Amino acid sequence: GEDVEQSLFLSVREGDSSVINCTYTDSSSTYLYWYKQEPGAGLQLLTYIFSNMDMKQDQRLTVLLNKKDKHLSLRIADTQTGDSAIYFCAEHGGSQGNLIFGKGTKLSVKP
Amino acid sequence: EPEVTQTPSHQVTQMGQEVILRCVPISNHLYFYWYRQILGQKVEFLVSFYNNEISEKSEIFDDQFSVERPDGSNFTLKIRSTKLEDSAMYFCATGTDYNEQFFGPGTRLTVL
Repeated sequence: GEDVEQSLFLSVREGDSSVINCTYTDSSSTYLYWYKQEPGAGLQLLTYIFSNMDMKQDQRLTVLLNKKDKHLSLRIADTQTGDSAIYFCAEHGGSQGNLIFGKGTKLSVKP
Repeated sequence: EPEVTQTPSHQVTQMGQEVILRCVPISNHLYFYWYRQILGQKVEFLVSFYNNEISEKSEIFDDQFSVERPDGSNFTLKIRSTKLEDSAMYFCATGTDYNEQFFGPGTRLTVL
C-alpha cells in the first residue's frame, strides 16, 4: 500500500539551513505537501508541489521533488528558533484527495 | 485570515459513550475531511465529504463512525460507542478543492 517515510529527528543551529527528507511510494500522486505542527497546535499547510515540477521556492522554503526516486525534500534557509516544530510530508492517497502522512520530522533549532 | 475551528478542544468520555466532534469550515470551502492522530503515530485519514455525502472512507471509519453537515455550516464526526483505542487527536480539514486542505487545531479525545 501507499506509504510515506521520514526521518524522525533533525537538529540544526540557528542561521543554518535545514533539509528535511521524505520518500513516498505512490508514483501517481499529483501533489505532495509539507505541513508544520507546532506544540499543541494543528497542522499548518506550508507548501505543496505539483508532481510535474521538480522545484518550488517560497521565501525561505525550497521544495525539491525527484519523481524517479520518489524523494521529496524541504529546505529551510536561515533556520530560526521559531521554526522548531514537527514537519510532516504527505501525498495524495485517493481520488478525493485524502492525504497520507509520514510520521513527521521533529526539527530542533539550537541558538 | 479565516481558519478552520474545532470544538471542543478536549473531550473526556467513558467507554461506550457517544461523542460528537464539531468543525466549522472556512466559509467557501466545499471539501471536508476528518483525520486522527493516535499519540506517537501517523496522522491517518478517516473520511472525506463532498456535496453532502461521503466521498471516500478508510478502514478505520467503520459503522461506529458517522459524519454530517446538519446545518450547512458545522461538519460533525460522531462516534457512537467509544472504545479505549479511539483516544486520539481528531483533526478536521477543509478546502475549496481537493488539492489544498487546511486543518483545524484538533480535538483531543480521551476515552476512559
